[in-house]
Amino acid sequence: SAVISQKPSRDICQRGTSLTIQCQVDSQVTMMFWYRQQPGQSLTLIATANQGSEATYESGFVIDKFPISRPNLTFSTLTVSNMSPEDSSIYLCSVATGTYNEQFFGPGTRLTVL
Amino acid sequence: EDQVTQSPEALRLQEGESSSLNCSYTVSGLRGLFWYRQDPGKGPEFLFTLYSAGEEKEKERLKATLTKKESFLHITAPKPEDSATYLCAVRGSGYALNFGKGTSLLVTP
Repeated sequence: SAVISQKPSRDICQRGTSLTIQCQVDSQVTMMFWYRQQPGQSLTLIATANQGSEATYESGFVIDKFPISRPNLTFSTLTVSNMSPEDSSIYLCSVATGTYNEQFFGPGTRLTVL
Repeated sequence: EDQVTQSPEALRLQEGESSSLNCSYTVSGLRGLFWYRQDPGKGPEFLFTLYSAGEEKEKERLKATLTKKESFLHITAPKPEDSATYLCAVRGSGYALNFGKGTSLLVTP
């Protein structure tokens, strides 16, 4: 398994500002994922982040809004830019281990945009 | 396009009352069906991965089964601490997971 931590655990932000969420893993992993879980909804994949390459974004998500960094095999950041109340959500970091047959999630970052 | 549908949306059980949660899926080339438990305010906790029809996995009071079209999560003699949202997800051709909306389970004493 993998132990994943996220910072911050929660934040309240003003409209138009940006927030960077950090994800730290206790072991080296090739693939990291960022998901969003909106109130009452399930998890939706934002992007896949591989070390040494540009993140791959899902339909409906763009790099200008959700820039991602992956500087090494244990760390990644997701920035939510120019926030609006519609960005209020839980943002989750996930990693796939071994042969990608197990995927583990961090505790999430609960973001509220006023 | 991969689709995952979970039912029921919510389920209330008495302690000790066994039941099953359903996860129906359509995916091109299933590479894994995943079950997670999610407690309020926390990230999903990995439970099982199933790969082929007929496969079963167990963990304490939980047993997951898989057919070509659906998966069941059987809960035997549940306890109040089993109360949580249970999420089903599939992995198709990529590495990321496609999730259902979950079943919210409440077990009362």
